[in-house]
Amino acid sequence: DQQVKQNSPSLSVQEGRISILNCDYTNSMFDYFLWYKKYPAEGPTFLISISSIKDKNEDGRFTVFLNKSAKHLSLHIVPSQPGDSAVYFCAASIAGTASKLTFGTGTRLQVTL
Amino acid sequence: GAVVSQHPSRVICKSGTSVKIECRSLDFQATTMFWYRQFPKQSLMLMATSNEGSKATYEQGVEKDKFLINHASLTLSTLTVTSAHPEDSSFYICSARVGGRPQHFGDGTRLSIL
Repeated sequence: DQQVKQNSPSLSVQEGRISILNCDYTNSMFDYFLWYKKYPAEGPTFLISISSIKDKNEDGRFTVFLNKSAKHLSLHIVPSQPGDSAVYFCAASIAGTASKLTFGTGTRLQVTL
Repeated sequence: GAVVSQHPSRVICKSGTSVKIECRSLDFQATTMFWYRQFPKQSLMLMATSNEGSKATYEQGVEKDKFLINHASLTLSTLTVTSAHPEDSSFYICSARVGGRPQHFGDGTRLSIL
């Protein structure tokens, strides 16, 4: 049972435009969400997170939006840069098991020139 | 930023061999370390959570006698795949956490059992 879903396995965006990566979850107990970025032959790198008490968190070019009623979150990257090309994983956790993460299957983002 | 080192990065060995993978936090003391496994085109699946000095907590369906985890210090955890078979071939990756901060991941180990 895939509790965290990233339904788009890949996404291609032109440099300078906005990249929007989506993530859906089914477990209403999740209250903390993270995005990780992964380059080939490297481990995932933490990018940005959001608590369920918020609906938006911004860090530079990266913004995460959370819609609890829809059990949906998205990562916006603007403007997109070629160095953003990587696989992006959405992850979720439940308070009390604070760091036990449930991951999505990832979305491969390619930013083209 | 925090660095987690995982070694080896790739292992190819014969069926029946036991394989040890090391995970070290290089610039911080990790209160908790995690071991994940990823099969092709699937998500990272948590195998077990280990806290320094105590027994690891295994996820449902993960055999603790098959996947031995030792967390002897705040900077080192090891995963031993005992008597590995071809179905154990996978990508194994560790992460470490201190306090309530996000997990930091190693670069993973590609295990291939012939």
